[in-house]
Amino acid sequence: NAGVMQNPRHLVRRRGQEARLRCSPMKGHSHVYWYRQLPEEGLKFMVYLQKENIIDESGMPKERFSAEFPKEGPSILRIQQVVRGDSAAYFCASSPDSPGNIQYFGAGTRLSVL
Amino acid sequence: GQQVMQIPQYQHVQEGEDFTTYCNSSTTLSNIQWYKQRPGGHPVFLIQLVKSGEVKKQKRLTFQFGEAKKNSSLHITATQTTDVGTYFCAGRGDSNYQLIWGAGTKLIIKP
Repeated sequence: NAGVMQNPRHLVRRRGQEARLRCSPMKGHSHVYWYRQLPEEGLKFMVYLQKENIIDESGMPKERFSAEFPKEGPSILRIQQVVRGDSAAYFCASSPDSPGNIQYFGAGTRLSVL
Repeated sequence: GQQVMQIPQYQHVQEGEDFTTYCNSSTTLSNIQWYKQRPGGHPVFLIQLVKSGEVKKQKRLTFQFGEAKKNSSLHITATQTTDVGTYFCAGRGDSNYQLIWGAGTKLIIKP
């Protein structure tokens, strides 16, 4: 049973470009969460999605950031017009049912904005 | 809003010394989970505590959930270099379906 798959592992973008981060949850998991982690800091919740629905996006910046989890395919975290402050590790996690249950994390995408 | 405070932010220990991290919630939790993140890695689930006063052990790690279900601790006995990393607690509120994460405690082994 494959774990949570994130790609790419490393992503380099220039200021103003778009970044697309992909996450395939564990098989059978319908709940996906995105977190951001700055160097030497904790996890910051961004968004919680179920298939085709955004359940909670209270941690997501209002501009430039969006997330989706379509019926088919991976969840996508999209950052438009990236700025240097977007440089961070972005982790995706999934859980099988209730969002309060155990979360299984992917290896993360390290985004560097030049 | 609901918060989980975790202390200390860092702890430097000599190898073989003990390590403890504490989490305190502003409200009652239905459960609390602990995760470990190795340097350069991703958080990995360690354990979940559900019952008031619950104590669970994993080898040298002891996890406790307070009687009021508002606080929790992780204690590592005789630390080893493999214990290095950041330990996070994450609690689920009674009325909130979400996990609320502590800021993490980074365990550093002094050379």
